[in-house]
This record gives sequence, structure tokens and C-alpha cells, in this order.
Amino acid sequence: EPEVTQTPSHQVTQMGQEVILRCVPISNHLYFYWYRQILGQKVEFLVSFYNNEISEKSEIFDDQFSVERPDGSNFTLKIRSTKLEDSAMYFCASGGSDYGAQYFGPGTRLLVL
Amino acid sequence: QKEVEQNSGPLSVPEGAIASLNCTYSDRVSQSFFWYRQYSGKSPELIMSIYSNGDKEDGRFTAQLNKASQYVSLLIRDSQPSDSATYLCASRFSGNTPLVFGKGTRLSVIA
Repeated sequence: EPEVTQTPSHQVTQMGQEVILRCVPISNHLYFYWYRQILGQKVEFLVSFYNNEISEKSEIFDDQFSVERPDGSNFTLKIRSTKLEDSAMYFCASGGSDYGAQYFGPGTRLLVL
Repeated sequence: QKEVEQNSGPLSVPEGAIASLNCTYSDRVSQSFFWYRQYSGKSPELIMSIYSNGDKEDGRFTAQLNKASQYVSLLIRDSQPSDSATYLCASRFSGNTPLVFGKGTRLSVIA
């Protein structure tokens, strides 16, 4: 069964450093998302991406964040200068159609020291 | 502000019983609703989606939607210890818009 994959599974970084989180969505899906979940809190939307551009972003997704789809398979989230409060699980999700379900990858646990 | 509310639990049920999980949402025009299961430290795993008023059954799971009351529920029949997890309710306004999640209800099935 097709699934969303994410790398790395864990990332430890120093405050102020740049991190890139990578995702390979399900191959025939058209809609891509990044969510995050701070420990003990709800899953929060960051950004959605469709047709090679951002379709929607939340207040969390400020100028420190960017997304790219550099080729036909990868979807990346970059945090330019990490802050302590960026420590969270970051989930990539993809969806195949309007109104269809979103399928989540296993996540990247980011720890900023 | 779109909100999805769930009782955080824990909800404890004996093995073999029916677990009933509830969710309300604030945005009257939300179109679609989803239940995800999340084990500790893992990602959300889709269990059910529901788009129309009424019941939708899939194996041991039944989702119920009442748009007039802005209420979604999930019933798990013949609960098993492996069902012990946090269940996340999510709504979506339309099309491919982002999911809005509740905080989740922690279910514990006691053997």
C-alpha cells in the first residue's frame, strides 16, 4: 500500500541553525501539507501546497519557514533559523483529491537546543 | 476561528465493550470529517471519513455525523487492548483545505 515517507525520523539542532525536513508524498497525490504537533498538544496546520505553489498557510508559517517541491517526488520544509519553540513533531501529509482524506507520514521529531 | 472540541479523557472501557468517542465543531459550513488514531509518538492514522449526515460503518468502527448539531462521533465495537490510543477528530471546511484537529480523546481498553 502506498505511503508517505519522511526523513530524517529525528533531528537535533542548535538554535539559529537551518533544518530541512523531507517528505515523499504518495505518488499520484496532488495536495501536500505540513503539520506540526508540539508534545502534548493538538496537531496544527502549517502550510498546504498544490500545483507547485502554496495554497494556504497558517500564522505559524512565518518568514522563517519555506516549502519546496524540488522534483517530481520530494516535498521539503525548511526552517531558516530554528528557535527553541520549533521543537515538535513535523508531519507531512498528502491527499489525492478534493474532499478526500489526507494521509500522514511517520513524522520528523525536531529538537532545538 | 474554526474549533474542534473533544473530551481529552482518558476513556476507559473493558475489552469487548463499545467505546463511544464524541466531537463537536464550531464551523457550521464544514464539509467533511475524519477520525484518526494516534499511538504515542506516532503519526495520525486515518480510520474513517464521513461527509453526509447519518452513520457510516467500516468493520468494528461506526462514524456518525449530525450537521445540524455540529456533532461527530465514533463507535468502536468489541474494543480490543490494541485499540488503546488517542483518537483525533478533524474537520475540513471544503475541498483540499487544511484539517482542523481536536486535541484528541485518549482511549484505554482494559483486558
